Amino acid sequence: AQSVTQPDIHITVSEGASLELRCNYSYGATPYLFWYVQSPGQGLQLLLKYFSGDTLVQGIKGFEAEFKRSQSSFNLRKPSVHWSDAAEYFCAVAAGNYGQNFVFGPGTRLSVLP
Amino acid sequence: NAGVTQTPKFRILKIGQSMTLQCTQDMNHNYMYWYRQDPGMGLKLIYYSVGAGITDKGEVPNGYNVSRSTTEDFPLRLELAAPSQTSVYFCASSTGLAGVPEQFFGPGTRLTVL
Repeated sequence: AQSVTQPDIHITVSEGASLELRCNYSYGATPYLFWYVQSPGQGLQLLLKYFSGDTLVQGIKGFEAEFKRSQSSFNLRKPSVHWSDAAEYFCAVAAGNYGQNFVFGPGTRLSVLP
Repeated sequence: NAGVTQTPKFRILKIGQSMTLQCTQDMNHNYMYWYRQDPGMGLKLIYYSVGAGITDKGEVPNGYNVSRSTTEDFPLRLELAAPSQTSVYFCASSTGLAGVPEQFFGPGTRLTVL
């Protein structure tokens, strides 16, 4: 069965510092991978996605993620964090015949210090 | 283009009451989903639908029912509400096309069962 782990429940960084959020997945085939962000009281917004091709993908708000098949990882990075990046971040893998069934990780809550 | 809309935003139920959470999308998506989000647990799939008249169970379907009579609407019914159903509920939709499984989320319904 597919699964997604996000080892860090809560991360605190200072504004302007770099950020890396970890995601590991378990899936038998080539995965569709996603990062979503959820601001307090809001729904989920797609940051970026990986289907195939270049293993480094760029997303919105200055985020990027790198797919590493050998490590079954899809870590999210940002070179310089802004206070508005404080939110919950979810990694997900898509399964099913058309990738219609998503499995989400438990999320990582990001706090940003001024 | 409103995307995915959900009503109500908040609701408090008493144990044993029933209610329907409404979800509508205006993107002509074939696939629709219901998730619940509990703290520290990520999102769990309750039910999904691959088209009008077709629904299937997800990971946590007990205590819920769905129907899909139109492409646009995918209501979630709670019968005999229990405190364990206190959660935030998200509806989502996707095209269902192979290779394009991105899901679009509604703003959520926060439900409390007392």
